[in-house]
Amino acid sequence: DQQVKQNSPSLSVQEGRISILNCDYTNSMFDYFLWYKKYPAEGPTFLISISSIKDKNEDGRFTVFLNKSAKHLSLHIVPSQPGDSAVYFCAASPGAGSYQLTFGKGTKLSVIP
Amino acid sequence: DAMVIQNPRYQVTQFGKPVTLSCSQTLNHNVMYWYQQKSSQAPKLLFHYYDKDFNNEADTPDNFQSRRPNTSFCFLDIRSPGLGDAAMYLCATSRDLLQPYEQYFGPGTRLTVT
Repeated sequence: DQQVKQNSPSLSVQEGRISILNCDYTNSMFDYFLWYKKYPAEGPTFLISISSIKDKNEDGRFTVFLNKSAKHLSLHIVPSQPGDSAVYFCAASPGAGSYQLTFGKGTKLSVIP
Repeated sequence: DAMVIQNPRYQVTQFGKPVTLSCSQTLNHNVMYWYQQKSSQAPKLLFHYYDKDFNNEADTPDNFQSRRPNTSFCFLDIRSPGLGDAAMYLCATSRDLLQPYEQYFGPGTRLTVT
């Protein structure tokens, strides 16, 4: 039973446009959410996170939005660049006091020049 | 640069032949994790070490063991690999356990079982 779902295995976006990657979760105990980016032949690298006390967190071109009532979060990349082409994993944690990260299956983003 | 290193990057082993994967870190983090990731699947936590304390996830098969001889190194031992154990094995570290600190991942070891 997948507790973290990324329903789009892949996404293609033109360079300069917005990329929106979506993630849904089912466990209401999740309190902290992270996005990781993974290039081929490399391990996932941390990108951005958000705590459930917030509904938005920005870091440069990357913004994560959290809708707790809908159990949904999204990662926006604006503007998209070819170097953003990678697999993006959504991960969730029960929060303070827990080490466990539950990952989604990932979404492969291709940014077309 | 501080990092998480995994060796080898690719490992081929025979069905039933024990294999060891290694991970080292220069981040001086207290926690080290091992994940298994099968093709097109989410990474799945197998176990973690907090300092020298070992914690197995409930559904991790007994076939998988781990050792952490010191802060920097952690090993994953698969005692009798089956064809279903072919996967990418990811090592990760985090500073501590008390908060959901970001985890830092190595590049992974891709295991093939023939």
